[in-house]
Amino acid sequence: GAGVSQTPSNKVTEKGKYVELRCDPISGHTALYWYRQSLGQGPEFLIYFQGTGAADDSGLPNDRFFAVRPEGSVSTLKIQRTERGDSAVYLCASSPGGVLKNIQYFGAGTRLSVL
Amino acid sequence: GENVEQHPSTLSVQEGDSAVIKCTYSDSASNYFPWYKQELGKRPQLIIDIRSNVGEKKDQRIAVTLNKTAKHFSLHITETQPEDSAVYFCAAIPASGGSYIPTFGRGTSLIVHP
Repeated sequence: GAGVSQTPSNKVTEKGKYVELRCDPISGHTALYWYRQSLGQGPEFLIYFQGTGAADDSGLPNDRFFAVRPEGSVSTLKIQRTERGDSAVYLCASSPGGVLKNIQYFGAGTRLSVL
Repeated sequence: GENVEQHPSTLSVQEGDSAVIKCTYSDSASNYFPWYKQELGKRPQLIIDIRSNVGEKKDQRIAVTLNKTAKHFSLHITETQPEDSAVYFCAAIPASGGSYIPTFGRGTSLIVHP
């Protein structure tokens, strides 16, 4: 079956602009995670959804970052007033829940470049 | 919060040699430890995992060991091949809280020379 899909794969924007990054999880997966990965680093947790609600948003760096998952499937990460320091690969992962709740399947990521 | 340290940052081996990557964690509540392989420009892929109720798990050429007392776990790759070249990440995930949020190590770049 299809894996986690993220679009766009690359996004170049100018400082101060607004961007939206999309994640399509594996069908039926109830949990969805967003991460940010900088060069030479491991994924850094941003926000976690269980169903439609943000169960844990403690990793969002500031109020310029926001994410939604209105129907419990597709999620959008929104970044306002982008800064050069926001440049990174943004990864999404989904998890089936139940006895497999720990296991996360990653998308290929969106590489965001803020000029 | 949890803190995961991963060593080495870079590991260079000859084809056929073994490779060992080590991670330590700080939170005794962590009970699930996955390892991900990430090739350049690709998604992280789960290659093996271990839960805190076992000390070792093996899958063909890869194995993971866990020492809960010392709070460290290791990835072992035997008979390395050039296609094993990638960045490997360890992670620690707590059992409590319900969110299962992993803390990742900084990664190890494994280079296998043919």
